[in-house]
Amino acid sequence: AQSVAQPEDQVNVAEGNPLTVKCTYSVSGNPYLFWYVQYPNRGLQFLLKYITGDNLVKGSYGFEAEFNKSQTSFHLKKPSALVSDSALYFCAVRAYGNDMRFGAGTRLTVKP
Amino acid sequence: DVKVTQSSRYLVKRTGEKVFLECVQDMDHENMFWYRQDPGLGLRLIYFSYDVKMKEKGDIPEGYSVSREKKERFSLILESASTNQTSMYLCASSPTGDSGNTIYFGEGSWLTVV
Repeated sequence: AQSVAQPEDQVNVAEGNPLTVKCTYSVSGNPYLFWYVQYPNRGLQFLLKYITGDNLVKGSYGFEAEFNKSQTSFHLKKPSALVSDSALYFCAVRAYGNDMRFGAGTRLTVKP
Repeated sequence: DVKVTQSSRYLVKRTGEKVFLECVQDMDHENMFWYRQDPGLGLRLIYFSYDVKMKEKGDIPEGYSVSREKKERFSLILESASTNQTSMYLCASSPTGDSGNTIYFGEGSWLTVV
């Protein structure tokens, strides 16, 4: 069965500092990995995904994620955090079929 | 632009009522999904549909049913609402054929059962 884990419920970072939101996955076969962001009282917005190829994936709003097969990780990163990046972030995996599995979410707070 | 529309954003229903949550997508996607989101639990799949009149149970189908009579519309039905079904419900859609296809979400429906 496929699954993802987001080990941190909460991440706090100062504005202008780099941020990392962690994600590890478990899947049989090749994984398709996704990051979504959710602002208060809104649905999930797609940020980026890894399908194949370059391990560093660039996405929306300056975010990027690094796929590491040996560590089964797909951490979300941004070089310089903004207060407006404060939101709930979800990692997801889709290995086969049409089903997508989500982590529990990590709440990112960026302080001025 | 991709558009998944959930017609009801906020609902308050009484225990035992029958509840319909409607979702429409305008992207001609084959796959449609209903998720439930609860704090600390992330998103859990209730049902999904890969074609008209086709459906598959997800992880938590108990107490729910679905209907897909047209490709663009996917309805979630709570036959007899209970307080433990108070939650945020998210509809989503995606093309079929490739697991790398992105799933697109609606804005969510907040349901409170009293």
